[in-house]
Amino acid sequence: DQQVKQNSPSLSVQEGRISILNCDYTNSMFDYFLWYKKYPAEGPTFLISISSIKDKNEDGRFTVFLNKSAKHLSLHIVPSQPGDSAVYFCAANPGGTSYGKLTFGQGTILTVHP
Amino acid sequence: DTEVTQTPKHLVMGMTNKKSLKCEQHMGHRAMYWYKQKAKKPPELMFVYSYEKLSINESVPSRFSPECPNSSLLNLHLHALQPEDSALYLCASSHRGRGKGEQYFGPGTRLTVT
Repeated sequence: DQQVKQNSPSLSVQEGRISILNCDYTNSMFDYFLWYKKYPAEGPTFLISISSIKDKNEDGRFTVFLNKSAKHLSLHIVPSQPGDSAVYFCAANPGGTSYGKLTFGQGTILTVHP
Repeated sequence: DTEVTQTPKHLVMGMTNKKSLKCEQHMGHRAMYWYKQKAKKPPELMFVYSYEKLSINESVPSRFSPECPNSSLLNLHLHALQPEDSALYLCASSHRGRGKGEQYFGPGTRLTVT
């Protein structure tokens, strides 16, 4: 049972344009949602998170939107840069006694072309 | 210091060998994690340590044996591994308790079992 899904395996965007990465989830008990970026042969790097009680969080070029009724979140990167090319994972934290047991989506490969 | 370090970076071992992976953090985090990541897949949680005690074991085979000697160190002892255990092994740490559950990852150990 895949509780966190990223349905787009890859996304290609021109430099300077907006990148939108999507994530869907099934478990309404998730407490926090996080986005990680991963380069090959490196560990994931935390980018931005959002609490389940918020609908938007912004940090520089990165904004995460949460639509609880649709169980959907998205990461917007504006403007996209070639250095943003990486695999992006969304993850969900259930909180409570399962705190820390992050569930990751399958990842989306973002390629930003100069 | 927001760094999680892992040694070694690469490890090749035979199926009869015994080896250990090491992880260290100095962020004062009291939760530490081991993940396994296969190519083109998301990280899969293996173990969670909370205040130096094992709190989650995701039904990992006994050939993987975790150890948390103190709040800064996490080891993963390996014995009689199979070729299918070849993967990137990631260590992470986070604050324990309520919060977004942001985990900081190390660069990983690339393990090859021959």
